[in-house]
Amino acid sequence: QVQLQDSGPGLVKPSETLSLSCSVSGGSVTSYYWTWIRQPPGKGLEWIGYIHNSGTINYNPSLKTRVTISIDTSKNHFSLQLSSATAADTAVYYCARGVKWFDLWGQGTLVTVSS
Amino acid sequence: EIVLTQSPGTLSLSPGERATLSCRASQSVTTTYLAWYQHKPGQAPRLLIYGASSRATGVPDRFSGSGSGTDFTLTISRLEPEDFAVYYCQQYGGSPPITFGQGTRLEIK
Repeated sequence: QVQLQDSGPGLVKPSETLSLSCSVSGGSVTSYYWTWIRQPPGKGLEWIGYIHNSGTINYNPSLKTRVTISIDTSKNHFSLQLSSATAADTAVYYCARGVKWFDLWGQGTLVTVSS
Repeated sequence: EIVLTQSPGTLSLSPGERATLSCRASQSVTTTYLAWYQHKPGQAPRLLIYGASSRATGVPDRFSGSGSGTDFTLTISRLEPEDFAVYYCQQYGGSPPITFGQGTRLEIK
């Protein structure tokens, strides 16, 4: 059974880079599209971007200048980097499988941007 | 951008009642690419419906989805205590390709 485990620092300083990874167990990261989604406190879900091992990548235009999503097949995981973090980036970050809909999710990581 | 507007914002019902949640799109959505999720505090969202009307694996048949074009509906035929949560609709295919509605909170009356 495929499972996703997201991980990363829970606290990031303003202007620094927020970095998270999502490990895929029970399956291969070379299959499927993989997506990052976030939920700021008290708000709804926001799509960040997706990636496929074929090289297809797409980012939310509102974040495009700051976001990088990558895949590491040797570690069977995919990653998110969000540069120049601000308090507005404080959110629970989820990794998920799919692109048209998301049938498998990580448990979510709360990232707080604060000095 | 395709904006999804969910209504009502909050729905107060009792167990056993029928819940009807609406998701309206600012422009036509390909039916195949409309999904619904259930989200409980402290948990990851759970896929309920994809392709507007197909139940995801393990989803009870009291959950059903319908609609096309710009109007979609999630119906819970008889509410169970575990159904009280926030529900989101989501579309794929616009630009940006993925957007979510703002959510409907289903609370116990």
